[in-house]
Amino acid sequence: GQNIDQPTEMTATEGAIVQINCTYQTSGFNGLFWYQQHAGEAPTFLSYNVLDGLEEKGRFSSFLSRSKGYSYLLLKELQMKDSASYLCAALDSNYQLIWGAGTKLIIKP
Amino acid sequence: GAGVSQSPRYKVAKRGRDVALRCDSISGHVTLYWYRQTLGQGSEVLTYSQSDAQRDKSGRPSGRFSAERPERSVSTLKIQRTEQGDSAVYLCASSVWTGLAKNIQYFGAGTRLSVL
Repeated sequence: GQNIDQPTEMTATEGAIVQINCTYQTSGFNGLFWYQQHAGEAPTFLSYNVLDGLEEKGRFSSFLSRSKGYSYLLLKELQMKDSASYLCAALDSNYQLIWGAGTKLIIKP
Repeated sequence: GAGVSQSPRYKVAKRGRDVALRCDSISGHVTLYWYRQTLGQGSEVLTYSQSDAQRDKSGRPSGRFSAERPERSVSTLKIQRTEQGDSAVYLCASSVWTGLAKNIQYFGAGTRLSVL
């Protein structure tokens, strides 16, 4: 079956760095997405990886290893506004997104 | 507006009744998705449709859920004979085209459905 695993909740300190891991098993693979979702709001696109390696975009970076079925989202210089849920989703061979349950990130001062 | 909008934002329904949720997607987007999001269980795709004036093609889940697309940028998710387990947030998302690998989906704010 198809499955996405990511931690349910993580806590980090303002100004620090946090890494949110995601492992996936899908029927075919056409890339991996990370979305950010604040409570009561729509998910917003953060990153897309389809090739192995690290992609950096400001304070956020995303890494992919296709052979390991693994990705992580790295957030640097954490700010209070980064408190949100982070959703990992893999695009399968039918170009359907398979979603993880999301990681709730709590930032403490 | 420029984004995806959904209405109503909140809906309360009596068990057994039918409900209809509306989504206005981004002009020019071809593919439209409906997801159900429940706390701790993530998002489950309900239906997706491509192009205009077509009914739901995914068939997931079958039976009580269906989507209609009366206009290119409008979709209506219909839930028949609602059950308490249908209580969730229903998210609509659209993308330019499903065939591209970079299938970035733009989401509406969701409709929170409570079935009593």
